[in-house]
Amino acid sequence: QVQLVESGGGLVKPGGSLRLSCAASGFTFSDYYMSWIRQAPGKGLEWVSYISSSGSTIYYADSVKGRFTISRDNAKNSLYLQMNSLRAEDTAVYYCARTVTESFHHWGQGTLVTVSS
Amino acid sequence: QSVLTQPPSASGTPGQRVTISCSGSSSNIGTNTVNWYQQLPGTAPKLLIYSNNQRPSGVPDRFSGSKSGTSASLAISGLQSEDEADFYCAAWDDSLNGWVFGGGTKLTVL
Repeated sequence: QVQLVESGGGLVKPGGSLRLSCAASGFTFSDYYMSWIRQAPGKGLEWVSYISSSGSTIYYADSVKGRFTISRDNAKNSLYLQMNSLRAEDTAVYYCARTVTESFHHWGQGTLVTVSS
Repeated sequence: QSVLTQPPSASGTPGQRVTISCSGSSSNIGTNTVNWYQQLPGTAPKLLIYSNNQRPSGVPDRFSGSKSGTSASLAISGLQSEDEADFYCAAWDDSLNGWVFGGGTKLTVL
């Protein structure tokens, strides 16, 4: 069955960097678009970034553009999110999601990123 | 402030039918399909409805979606206590080149 497992979250100081990973299994990873979505504590969902199956098409939310970089390694069945210049407002649980026909069909369990001094 | 507008809360008694609305604009719901996600307490969101009214396998037919113009709605019939969750609508936005979510609706089963 489809499994997505995020890792790499943790506590980081404002201005710091963090790299999130999402390990995919149970499907042909290279066939699917992928996305990152986040949820601040006690708040709603916010889409962060999207990458096409080949990596040739990438989109970012305005709130992270220029600071975050999405990438994937189809040989390793992995999705990544490099987060630089982190701010307190980036504190959230980050989910990776398999993206099909404009919807997020499968979600991982999430990894918590806390930006605090 | 979310791009899509949902009521913050909804409630019903077991067996009742409840609807949750989602209002957007011509650049999102008016042009693209609407999806609904259910988030049970302490868990990751789960796709409930995609392409306006399609249910993924395993989702009971008590859940249904519809769209008209720049608005959409989620209906839950035969309400059950296990339906208590947060519900989010989402759609692609052509102006923002990204997905937008509603602020979420907390459903309480009385």
